[in-house]
Amino acid sequence: GENVEQHPSTLSVQEGDSAVIKCTYSDSASNYFPWYKQELGKRPQLIIDIRSNVGEKKDQRIAVTLNKTAKHFSLHITETQPEDSAVYFCAAHMDSNYQLIWGAGTKLIIKP
Amino acid sequence: DTAVSQTPKYLVTQMGNDKSIKCEQNLGHDTMYWYKQDSKKFLKIMFSYNNKELIINETVPNRFSPKSPDKAHLNLHINSLELGDSAVYFCASSSGDLNTEAFFGPGTRLTVV
Repeated sequence: GENVEQHPSTLSVQEGDSAVIKCTYSDSASNYFPWYKQELGKRPQLIIDIRSNVGEKKDQRIAVTLNKTAKHFSLHITETQPEDSAVYFCAAHMDSNYQLIWGAGTKLIIKP
Repeated sequence: DTAVSQTPKYLVTQMGNDKSIKCEQNLGHDTMYWYKQDSKKFLKIMFSYNNKELIINETVPNRFSPKSPDKAHLNLHINSLELGDSAVYFCASSSGDLNTEAFFGPGTRLTVV
């Protein structure tokens, strides 16, 4: 079945620097890749997603890239701010599967 | 911010008890879910349900059962609670299949003592 690996498990960056979180998936039939942000004690919320017919998507300081050949996708956050501190989850889905397969999460710490 | 709501927010109970968590969404979504998030923050889907089909993650013990009185509600019943059931349980909903945005409820922190 599908498997999603997410790295790193913890990422600490200086405020203003960029952060990159990477995920790899195992099933080439996966076609939808969302990223969720979960602040401490709060619910996960979608921040960006990408479908397999697109290589890159941007939304202000956040971007996601997808490499279908290598079966990996990455979240890029530029000009990091304190409010970016949270746990970020990647996930993968394919139409024949009944569930999203989630990565284990990355705790992003923004140092002032 | 009450698109998906859950009650109670906190639940402390003894082993062996039976408890329920309620979930309601006012987004008009067709599909609702229950997730379990353990102490290591892993998110695991337990059930996916729409007005046509209940899909169960086969790893979920049959002590857990979803009940949907209508499209806007999906409650979670847990029988014979065990220590390992302690976790945060999130309800979520989406307008369609799993390739659309899922809106999560605020979570219910269940502690079994």
